[in-house]
This record gives sequence, C-alpha cells and structure tokens, in this order.
Amino acid sequence: GQQVMQIPQYQHVQEGEDFTTYCNSSTTLSNIQWYKQRPGGHPVFLIQLVKSGEVKKQKRLTFQFGEAKKNSSLHITATQTTDVGTYFCAAPYNNNDMRFGAGTRLTVKP
Amino acid sequence: DAMVIQNPRYQVTQFGKPVTLSCSQTLNHNVMYWYQQKSSQAPKLLFHYYDKDFNNEADTPDNFQSRRPNTSFCFLDIRSPGLGDAAMYLCATSRDSLARGDEQYFGPGTRLTVT
Repeated sequence: GQQVMQIPQYQHVQEGEDFTTYCNSSTTLSNIQWYKQRPGGHPVFLIQLVKSGEVKKQKRLTFQFGEAKKNSSLHITATQTTDVGTYFCAAPYNNNDMRFGAGTRLTVKP
Repeated sequence: DAMVIQNPRYQVTQFGKPVTLSCSQTLNHNVMYWYQQKSSQAPKLLFHYYDKDFNNEADTPDNFQSRRPNTSFCFLDIRSPGLGDAAMYLCATSRDSLARGDEQYFGPGTRLTVT
C-alpha cells in the first residue's frame, strides 16, 4: 500500500547540535502532519503542513513541505534533552487513512 | 483535562481469551481510530469510524473487531488474542476528515500483554 518513508531511523546527537528527519512519499499528499512521541508516551500532534513549499516554525523547530508536496522535513536547532523522543511524520491517504512514517528516534547526550 | 481516555492503561489476557479495550472522548469528534503500535514501530491503523460508518483497513485481521455505540465511546474487541497481538493500542479522534486538515488527538494507550 501507499507509504511514507522516513529517515533516519535513529539519530544520536550531543546537546546543542542540530537534528533533521526527512519524509518522502511517492504520491502527492494533501497534507502532512508531524507528531512527537516521548518514551512511554503517546503521539502528540506538533504541526500540519498543507501548502506547497510551506515552512512553519515553532521555536527551535522548523518544518518544511516540498514544492511537489511529496516530501517534508523537521529540523531542530540546538537540541536539548527535552527534545528526546520519536518524531513521526504522517499523511492521510483517502480521507482518514493515516499512514505514519517509521519514525526517527532522537537521543540527546547532555 | 483528559480529552481521549483509554481504559485500562494496562491489560493482561490469556492466549485465546477474548479481551475488550475501551476508549472515550470528550471532544465530540466525528472520527475515532484504533491503532496498534508494537515496540519501536510506528502506529498502524486498524480501523476507524466516521460517525457510525465503520472503515476497516484491508490488512486488519478478522480477529479484531470494533464497536461504536455512540459518539463518545469506541471499543476494540480482540476475539482470540495471540502472542503476536501484544502491543500498545492507541485510540485517537479527529473532528472531521484528516485529508481536509484536521489533526488527531491520541489517548494514552492501553498496553496489552498476552500470556
């Protein structure tokens, strides 16, 4: 079935370093959403991108949606230990069939 | 204030013994979802209800059933749990269609252990 590919699977950084995770789809997406799941927790909605080429920022987090609406990225500037968790991109196929990327597990060394 | 509530948070059942997981929401959202999430994997959609309309994923085993008796409640029934069904089960809601831009609200999940 249709999938969203996400890389890398794991990322280990030193506190203060930057972090980026990428998602790619073979089909054009109506929108893409990003979620964060802390260890032992549940996914929490971060943001949604809808428009071609859209860029949104939340403090140290920058989200981008590609011009063709097939790829997206999340970039964290100057990571902190509170950023630890797994970041998932997710996109709806059909109306409510949400497909999640495999997730990128971020660990931050103090 | 909890908006999507799942009970119980932890459930232990025996191999082959039917089990029901419950979800309730205070958001009055039209859509309710059930996901299965195994360790270190992404959530996998099992099915969803748009109001009373049930939508099953093609690869969801027949062993998994769902009921939505009213807007607020949704149940996941596992008729004969196998060891491979041990996972976190996440309930989520959205006001309307995800394709139209609505976001999902997840409950805390129920961790199912099968002995």
